[in-house]
Amino acid sequence: EPEVTQTPSHQVTQMGQEVILRCVPISNHLYFYWYRQILGQKVEFLVSFYNNEISEKSEIFDDQFSVERPDGSNFTLKIRSTKLEDSAMYFCASSGQAQNQPQHFGDGTRLSIL
Amino acid sequence: GENVEQHPSTLSVQEGDSAVIKCTYSDSASNYFPWYKQELGKRPQLIIDIRSNVGEKKDQRIAVTLNKTAKHFSLHITETQPEDSAVYFCAAQESGTYKYIFGTGTRLKVLA
Repeated sequence: EPEVTQTPSHQVTQMGQEVILRCVPISNHLYFYWYRQILGQKVEFLVSFYNNEISEKSEIFDDQFSVERPDGSNFTLKIRSTKLEDSAMYFCASSGQAQNQPQHFGDGTRLSIL
Repeated sequence: GENVEQHPSTLSVQEGDSAVIKCTYSDSASNYFPWYKQELGKRPQLIIDIRSNVGEKKDQRIAVTLNKTAKHFSLHITETQPEDSAVYFCAAQESGTYKYIFGTGTRLKVLA
């Protein structure tokens, strides 16, 4: 069964540094998402992306965040100047060709900001 | 916007018993409700979903019911097994958007 893959599995970064989290969505999916989960808490929506542009974003997704689909397979989340409170598990997800198709999640990247 | 409440936060059952997890949502226009199972350190995995045009859906030992009038939906797991132990999240797709609003999760422990 096709899966969403994410790299790296764990990223440790100094506060103030930039990080890029990478995702390869399921190949025939058209909608892409980033969510985050602070340890022990619920999964929170960050951003959705379709047709090479952001469809919607949450209040969490402020100017320090950006997303990009640099080629036909990768989907990236960049955090420009990391803060301690950015420490969380970041999940990429993708879904098929209609809006109400289920979203399939990757294994996540654990981001630790020191 | 949509708000999802989930109960209980923890649930312990004996192996073979049933488990029920309940969620309520606020946006009456929401029409898609997935359930995810998350094992420790793993991805949320879709286990079942329901759309607002049906009241119940079953898949082997798992079922989901939806009451649109009351704006609540429930996950039912029958004949629980130790491997059912995980955190379960309900979610609602906010109407007119692509985003899922998740509940706070239920830690299910199935005792052998």
